Amino acid sequence: EVQLVQSGAEVKKPGESLKISCEGSGYTFTNYWIGWVRQMPGKGLDWMGFIWPGDSDSRYNPSFQGQVTFSVDKSISTAYLQWSSLKASDTAMYYCARRSRDGYNEPDFWGQGTLVTVSS
Amino acid sequence: QSVLTQPPSASGTPGQRVTISCSGSSSNIASKYVFWYQHFPGTAPKLLIYRDDQRPSGVPDRFSGSRSVTSSSLAISGLRSEDEADYFCAVWDDSLSGWVFGGGTKLTVL
Repeated sequence: EVQLVQSGAEVKKPGESLKISCEGSGYTFTNYWIGWVRQMPGKGLDWMGFIWPGDSDSRYNPSFQGQVTFSVDKSISTAYLQWSSLKASDTAMYYCARRSRDGYNEPDFWGQGTLVTVSS
Repeated sequence: QSVLTQPPSASGTPGQRVTISCSGSSSNIASKYVFWYQHFPGTAPKLLIYRDDQRPSGVPDRFSGSRSVTSSSLAISGLRSEDEADYFCAVWDDSLSGWVFGGGTKLTVL
């Protein structure tokens, strides 16, 4: 069974750093792009970008380029989303999702989400 | 403002048929397959419909998808209380080389 399990909720102060995780299981982790998606409070979903776990090749939505960093640890089938200096506007739910390879590019499996709250 | 437009809410009584729309433009929905997801808050969203009208194995045939040129619809027939969830649509955007989503529709079973 394919599963993406994300790390737990975080409460941080502006200016702090943060790294959240997404662990894949039930499939060959290095063979599928992992996407990151943001959902701000009361808003829709925003695609942030993709990372290829095989070689850490990352593709960022221009709206998020320079604001976040994707990384991966293949040895533990885990992808990461990282901020070096959080802002209050980073408060949101963050989802990872696997990009399908069954003839289409949309997500086929999702993580349960990680709530990030940034407040002084 | 989401790229794809969905009604923020929908409702129906048990046994009814409800539809949820997802509209876009010639640059996204018109040329792409639409995907639908069911999301219970606090859990992982689940793929419900892919390529406009295909159901993954395990998805009941009460759920169906259809489309016109610049919009897509998710229909749920024989509505059940356990269908109360958020539903959102997604398409691949070639210019972005990424995903664009609808704003989501909260379905209430009265």
